[in-house]
Amino acid sequence: DAKTTQPPSMDCAEGRAANLPCNHSTISGNEYVYWYRQIHSQGPQYIIHGLKNNETNEMASLIITEDRKSSTLILPHATLRDTAVYYCIVRGDSGGSNYKLTFGKGTLLTVNP
Amino acid sequence: DGGITQSPKYLFRKEGQNVTLSCEQNLNHDAMYWYRQDPGQGLRLIYYSQIVNDFQKGDIAEGYSVSREKKESFPLTVTSAQKNPTAFYLCASSVRAGSYEQYFGPGTRLTVT
Repeated sequence: DAKTTQPPSMDCAEGRAANLPCNHSTISGNEYVYWYRQIHSQGPQYIIHGLKNNETNEMASLIITEDRKSSTLILPHATLRDTAVYYCIVRGDSGGSNYKLTFGKGTLLTVNP
Repeated sequence: DGGITQSPKYLFRKEGQNVTLSCEQNLNHDAMYWYRQDPGQGLRLIYYSQIVNDFQKGDIAEGYSVSREKKESFPLTVTSAQKNPTAFYLCASSVRAGSYEQYFGPGTRLTVT
């Protein structure tokens, strides 16, 4: 019952922008899109989240399509330390059932020198 | 230094033994979570706790038990009833259940032979 679809792997050259896509065609109106990443053998780290507007923080930008059925995480200047598995997660914002993050297999981003 | 600590990083046990994994946070967060990760897979929720003296089963609670006697501590016991206990175990916390950001610990890699 995966709510999101991501490519299993992507490559990016160091210093270039990394654009990670995510499809979430069954997203409902009150569900947010979250992105986390997990560097090998470490705990996941929150990156960014959004509802319908594009969002930007010090780590990344999140572009959500107008119909909200897909989104793209953008790392503007990828470094070797950005090599990780990136998870796109859809979740509602409130209510007792929205306590958990459902992690799929994510996208392994490899940044090459 | 605020954060979540898990100990030990690596743990080895013989089959049939119960083992308790430690998770401590000094972030003053109300909610805490335990996830399990198998090789090449995403994270699955075992248990979560919204507040002291309360906890709820996640998606894969069978063979596990938890307690939440103190706000800062949420230990997980892997019992002998858990059929495939070898995995990477991750503890997380958030300001409250459903908060957009969960903070993860470094994980404990449990090997049962």
